[in-house]
Amino acid sequence: DAGVIQSPRHEVTEMGQEVTLRCKPISGHNSLFWYRQTMMRGLELLIYFNNNVPIDDSGMPEDRFSAKMPNASFSTLKIQPSEPRDSAVYFCASRRLAGGPYEQFFGPGTRLTVL
Amino acid sequence: QKEVEQDPGPLSVPEGAIVSLNCTYSNSAFQYFMWYRQYSRKGPELLMYTYSSGNKEDGRFTAQVDKSSKYISLFIRDSQPSDSATYLCAMSAEKTSYDKVIFGPGTSLSVIP
Repeated sequence: DAGVIQSPRHEVTEMGQEVTLRCKPISGHNSLFWYRQTMMRGLELLIYFNNNVPIDDSGMPEDRFSAKMPNASFSTLKIQPSEPRDSAVYFCASRRLAGGPYEQFFGPGTRLTVL
Repeated sequence: QKEVEQDPGPLSVPEGAIVSLNCTYSNSAFQYFMWYRQYSRKGPELLMYTYSSGNKEDGRFTAQVDKSSKYISLFIRDSQPSDSATYLCAMSAEKTSYDKVIFGPGTSLSVIP
């Protein structure tokens, strides 16, 4: 069974460019999470969706960040324009709403570097 | 004060040692307590979880929760070099489908052969 799939795995871009990160959750999972991890701030929840609906985006740092989930098997996190301080590892995770919080599975992450 | 606090380490121990990793928290509504292990350049993966108070053992790993002190621990017996990773504690109230999992910053562990 495939786990959470994220693409790209690595992204290097220049300041001001648009960045789009992609996530495919585990089949049957109806809750999806976007996290950002840095040495300074640890693992931060940016936004999460239940049944494709955004529930809490209070962790999105600025209006430059946006996320969508057009269907149950795909989500995107977009940064426009990107800045060097956005450099981090971005994780997508998914779980079944009917399950417990311990059923949250993480993807391998996208390592973003903004020059 | 952060909701979940954890000593970031790094912690370095010789192979075979007993390792103790700890977290404190401030939200008394937390009911689920989880430990994730994260290898370098990988995503976190669930190691074990506990519901409410008490102990739980899984092989060389033991998780303890003391809700009266708002303190949780993970013990690793007979530590192995393959245990070298970052360990993140995580907690959730999970009273509604809107409750979030809150992660600690993680403790970096190195087990030296």
